[in-house]
Parts: sequence; C-alpha cells; structure tokens
Amino acid sequence: DIEMTQSPDSLAVSLGERATINCKSSQSVLSSSNNKNYLAWYQQKPGQPPKLLIYWASTRESGVPDRFSGSGSGTDFTLTISSLQAEDVAVYYCQQYYSTLLYTFGQGTRLQI
Amino acid sequence: QLQLQESGPGLVKPSETLSLSCNVSGGFINSSSNYWGWIRQPPGKGLEWIGRIHYSGNTYYNPSLKSRVTISVDTSQNQFSLKLTSVTAADTAVYYCARLRQASGQRLVDSWGQGTLVTVSS
Repeated sequence: DIEMTQSPDSLAVSLGERATINCKSSQSVLSSSNNKNYLAWYQQKPGQPPKLLIYWASTRESGVPDRFSGSGSGTDFTLTISSLQAEDVAVYYCQQYYSTLLYTFGQGTRLQI
Repeated sequence: QLQLQESGPGLVKPSETLSLSCNVSGGFINSSSNYWGWIRQPPGKGLEWIGRIHYSGNTYYNPSLKSRVTISVDTSQNQFSLKLTSVTAADTAVYYCARLRQASGQRLVDSWGQGTLVTVSS
C-alpha cells in the first residue's frame, strides 16, 4: 500500500494569513506515461462529507475558490490557502489514486483560526 | 445534479453482518466511466477505503477488509450495496458512499453521500 503522511496534524492560522499543509507519499504517485500526479485534496467540515478541492495535485475542482492551490510532484505535495477565511476551518485530507488496488488517504490536518 | 443517499440499520450486533445501500439519483449507475465506492470514518478519526465497484461487476477491496466485504450493484434499482460480515466495535463508523469518475486510467472520488453512522454494539 502507498502510505500518505500529512503534516502538521493541526494548524492554527489567523484570518487573512496563509495556511500550508504538507503531504508525503511513501512512493511516487507521478505517472511516467502521462506526467500526471495522482494526488487529490479534500476538505471536510464538521458534520459533512469530504469535498473534492484539488486533483492532479494542482487542478482546482469547479467552483473551488482560487485561494486554494496545490503544488508538488512525485512524493511531496502542498495545499496552500493564500488568505484564510472563516469558512475554511475544516479537516483537510490528501489522497493518492495512483495505486489501482487501494486508494489511500492521509491522516488529516485540522485547520483552525 | 448527482445525489447519493445511504440507507440501512444504524445499530448492528457484534458478529453480525452490516448491510447498507446507496441510492443514486440524478445519474445512472451503469455509466461506463464511473465506479461507485464505500469509504468509512470512525468517530473522530480519518477516512478509510472499503472498496469500489463498476456496474460491470469489477471490484477492488481494501486488502485489510477483503475477507469480510462484498460490494454489489443493482442496475435495475440504480443503487449499490455494502455487506460487511463478522463486525466488531472497530467497525463502528460513519459509512459514506461515493462516485468515482474517470481520471486517466484511475478513478477520482468527486461526489459523496451524506454518510450514515453505524454503531456495532450488543
């Protein structure tokens, strides 16, 4: 299995400031055939299901505000929220969808104000 | 607008079988480009893959649960189902059903049900 490890486990950021969450995979999720990173980011607010924010490591899902951005390649990835809003308080998960047998999630990062 | 809705008992006794269904509306479960999956989340913890299925019957299960899990599709009802046998307290979780869309040879979860809490207790 590909293990996904996020850091930090929790994070407190002031409103309007930048938030950065890291995700590391135990093996590369970059496909050599199409040069795509099979890495997604999800946001989960209390009492709600997760919501897809970013896929291919850096492509925003339709409707996701542009303050959310993703970067990285291979085994190291970052989710950045450029200017934190109150509604961004949530738990964020990275997930690899590279391994056909099992798509795995990171343990989650709790983001607070 | 695709909607997924889980249904099933909220309480299951230890050693018995957990059975859930996911009704799909606003889309067709026999779409060749989609898989349909189950993911669970123990209270206060992270997300765990259970497995996924294509309407053709092709399935992938989490190896750690494979011996106890069956996912099936009912195209006539536009729904898919989860069975988990020999449950213990460790299987207590919110169970989500989800759609996985085509993503260059793999699949990406892009829609989720609201989730249903299943508690394993006598």
